[in-house]
Amino acid sequence: AQTVTQSQPEMSVQEAETVTLSCTYDTSESDYYLFWYKQPPSRQMILVIRQEAYKQQNATENRFSVNFQKAAKSFSLKISDSQLGDAAMYFCAYRRVKTSYDKVIFGPGTSLSVIP
Amino acid sequence: DVKVTQSSRYLVKRTGEKVFLECVQDMDHENMFWYRQDPGLGLRLIYFSYDVKMKEKGDIPEGYSVSREKKERFSLILESASTNQTSMYLCASSLPLSNQPQHFGDGTRLSIL
Repeated sequence: AQTVTQSQPEMSVQEAETVTLSCTYDTSESDYYLFWYKQPPSRQMILVIRQEAYKQQNATENRFSVNFQKAAKSFSLKISDSQLGDAAMYFCAYRRVKTSYDKVIFGPGTSLSVIP
Repeated sequence: DVKVTQSSRYLVKRTGEKVFLECVQDMDHENMFWYRQDPGLGLRLIYFSYDVKMKEKGDIPEGYSVSREKKERFSLILESASTNQTSMYLCASSLPLSNQPQHFGDGTRLSIL
C-alpha cells in the first residue's frame, strides 16, 4: 500500500528566509502525481504545487519549488522569501495514475510558523 | 473559481444522534470526497463518489454512510454519533483525472457530546 510520510510535525522560518519541508512516499508504481497542499488557519485547503512523476524537471510556482528525487521517493517543498501569509499546515499528497476514481493519499502534515 | 460549500462550519450533537453533513460543489465535478482530519493523522478518506449514486469506501468508513443523489451534492451521514467521531470533516471535489487537484470546502468542526 502506498504511504506518505512527513517527518517534521512543526517547523519555523524567519520572514524573508528560505525553508524546506520534507516528504517521502512509498509506492511500487512508476507513474503517479505528487501534490503539496496548504491549509492556513481556519481557511480552505488549497493546492500549492504539483509534480508529474514522469517529468524530470522540478515544478515551480513563483516562490514555491520542489525537489523531486524519484529514485529516493522524496518530494520536498522549498519556500523562498517566506512571508507571514505562508504560515499554515502543509500536506504532501500522492495519487497514482490509474482509474478515474482513485484516491489521494495524504501525509500527516507539517505546521509552518513564520517569525516576523 | 471552484466553490465547495459545506453546510455548517461548527456543529454540536449528542451521542446517538443521526448527523447529516452536507456538501455542494458548483463546478460539475464527477468526483467528490469526504475526509476526516485529526492532528498528527493528516486527512483520512471516509468515502468517495465518482458519479451520481456511486460510492466507494475509503480507509475509515465504519460508522459512516454517504448519499449522492445529485451530481453537485454529497452528504455524509453519521448513523449513530459517538464521541470518537468528534473531528474536523472536509469535503472535496475534483475532475476525474489523476493530475487534477482536489478543491476543498471550509470544513465542519463536529463535536459529539
